[in-house]
Amino acid sequence: GDSVTQMEGPVTLSEEAFLTINCTYTATGYPSLFWYVQYPGEGLQLLLKATKADDKGSNKGFEATYRKETTSFHLEKGSVQVSDSAVYFCALSDPWGGSQGNLIFGKGTKLSVKP
Amino acid sequence: DAGVTQSPTHLIKTRGQQVTLRCSPKSGHDTVSWYQQALGQGPQFIFQYYEEEERQRGNFPDRFSGHQFPNYSSELNVNALLLGDSALYLCASSLALTDTDTQYFGPGTRLTVL
Repeated sequence: GDSVTQMEGPVTLSEEAFLTINCTYTATGYPSLFWYVQYPGEGLQLLLKATKADDKGSNKGFEATYRKETTSFHLEKGSVQVSDSAVYFCALSDPWGGSQGNLIFGKGTKLSVKP
Repeated sequence: DAGVTQSPTHLIKTRGQQVTLRCSPKSGHDTVSWYQQALGQGPQFIFQYYEEEERQRGNFPDRFSGHQFPNYSSELNVNALLLGDSALYLCASSLALTDTDTQYFGPGTRLTVL
């Protein structure tokens, strides 16, 4: 069935460092891909999405490109801030494939940014 | 524009009891999905409601049931609570016809089973 694998955390960076969180997926159909962010004690916020191959999603300085050839959707940010400290989840929705439209999440990657 | 709201925020129950969680979708949305997020894990899909019917269901036992009302709000019911049901329960809403796979989440209900 469909699945999402993301890099193990925690990830600890200094402020202004470059961030990459790896995400790869397995899907039977043509999934849409998402990054969600969860701040401590809160629900999930949609960070960005891409719906087809080679699309780039971007928001708040974060970006990710849908790579069908490598089945990847890695999250990047050029200069992280302390306020970016949170747990990041990669997810997919595959309405015509295995997940039938519900979201399948990775296990999450905790990011801590030090001043 | 009101986002997804959930109530209550926190809940403490004992084993064997029953619980009802509530969700109001984002304004204009007609589809509600429920997820269970155990500590340190990603959310797991429970079920989805559209037009007051369960449209999809994840790998959860029948102790988990739900309902959607004509105003699109929804309830999640869990019977015969087990210790393992302790988790954050998240509600998400979406719009079926135009963007069904983009889901917006509420803040969650933290359920503790003692």
